[in-house]
Amino acid sequence: EAGVAQSPRYKIIEKRQSVAFWCNPISGHATLYWYQQILGQGPKLLIQFQNNGVVDDSQLPKDRFSAERLKGVDSTLKIQPAKLEDSAVYLCASSLVGGARTDTQYFGPGTRLTVL
Amino acid sequence: EDKVVQSPLSLVVHEGDTVTLNCSYEVTNFRSLLWYKQEKKAPTFLFMLTSSGIEKKSGRLSSILDKKELFSILNITATQTGDSAVYLCVSGAGSYQLTFGKGTKLSVIP
Repeated sequence: EAGVAQSPRYKIIEKRQSVAFWCNPISGHATLYWYQQILGQGPKLLIQFQNNGVVDDSQLPKDRFSAERLKGVDSTLKIQPAKLEDSAVYLCASSLVGGARTDTQYFGPGTRLTVL
Repeated sequence: EDKVVQSPLSLVVHEGDTVTLNCSYEVTNFRSLLWYKQEKKAPTFLFMLTSSGIEKKSGRLSSILDKKELFSILNITATQTGDSAVYLCVSGAGSYQLTFGKGTKLSVIP
C-alpha cells in the first residue's frame, strides 16, 4: 500500500515570498490533515478536511495560509506571504473515517520549510 | 482547553535499559490515546488505546491506558540505539479532535 506522498521535501525561501506544498493521501482515506511542526514541539493541526469539506481550520492563520482539497483527494497548502516564524516542517496525514479509526493517522514524510 | 502532557521531556539511557514514558491527558469527550514514534521524519504509528487496563504489545514495546487516572505509559524493554526518537502521545476526542503532547526525546547510547 502506498503511503502519504508530499512534495517538495525541502524548500528555502525568503520572507514575503509565497510557497505551496502538495499532499496525496493514502487511497481511500477520506480525511486529510495538515500540521505545522516547529522544532522541538509536537505537531500543531492547521486544517482538517473530510473529502473536500473543511472540518476544522480554527488554528490556520487565514491571513496568510490557505488550503484546498478540491476533488477530495490531493491537497495543497499555501503560505503567502511567508514570515520567518513559518520555518517548520509541514506534515500531511490521512486517515479513514469512522470513530476511533479516524484517530489513526498515517503521516507523509513532511516538507521542511526554511524562511530566510 | 484539551491538553496532553508528556514526561519526561527528554531521557538518556544505555542500551539494554528499560524505559517508561508517561502521558497524562485532560480532554473533553475522550475517545482514544495514541502513541507515535518520530525519528528524523514523520511520525509512525505505534499503538492506539481505547480501553482501560488492556495492555497492547508489539515486540519490546508495550502500552497501557488508565481512563480513571487519565494517563498512559509506554514501556520499552531492552532498549536499542534504534529506539532513539521522539515519542509522541496523542489524544483523540470529540469529533475529529486530536491533541498532541510535546513528545519525549529518548536517546539510547551504546
